[in-house]
Amino acid sequence: GAGVSQSPSNKVTEKGKDVELRCDPISGHTALYWYRQSLGQGLEFLIYFQGNSAPDKSGLPSDRFSAERTGGSVSTLTIQRTQQEDSAVYLCASSFQGVVLDTQYFGPGTRLTVL
Amino acid sequence: TQLLEQSPQFLSIQEGENLTVYCNSSSVFSSLQWYRQEPGEGPVLLVTVVTGGEVKKLKRLTFQFGDARKDSSLHITAAQPGDTGLYLCAGVGFRFGNQGGKLIFGQGTELSVKP
Repeated sequence: GAGVSQSPSNKVTEKGKDVELRCDPISGHTALYWYRQSLGQGLEFLIYFQGNSAPDKSGLPSDRFSAERTGGSVSTLTIQRTQQEDSAVYLCASSFQGVVLDTQYFGPGTRLTVL
Repeated sequence: TQLLEQSPQFLSIQEGENLTVYCNSSSVFSSLQWYRQEPGEGPVLLVTVVTGGEVKKLKRLTFQFGDARKDSSLHITAAQPGDTGLYLCAGVGFRFGNQGGKLIFGQGTELSVKP
């Protein structure tokens, strides 16, 4: 089945390096979300894209984090100058319309380790 | 800031026992969802409760939304080893309107059911 896919599944990087994480949402889904899951913080919202609207970036923890969504489909989350506290599993989810009762379908996540 | 407090964080029980997981907040949510997450995978939606006082059943799982829409519980009857996993509650706030869908997650409950 064509679920949400994420790549890479694992990423190990050195402190100070930039990383890019990719998300391929379910075809036809207009809404896309990024979340971060870490031991100390649980699962927290990062950013939300809905169609052509301006993204909701309210969850991004610092200006080192950015995301874009090209052509209303694939999304890339970029972390610049990575820090050890950025180590976490980054989860992407998509939903059909992004309205309140839509079901969000999550990808398997990218496990980021910053050494 | 809307927060969800989930308890207990860890639960280890024997097969056949009953258990209840609680999700509490001082904020009102338009709806509340429960997810289950397996290692290496993203969360999978179990149920959405929308109306205050609503009770939904999914086989041996019973979900309840508080009358004031600030709290919820998940009760599992006669737990089985296959129920082992991370259970997450997630709230959707009213303020997100037609940009809805941004989820606020509890810390999660790690359930282990031993045969």
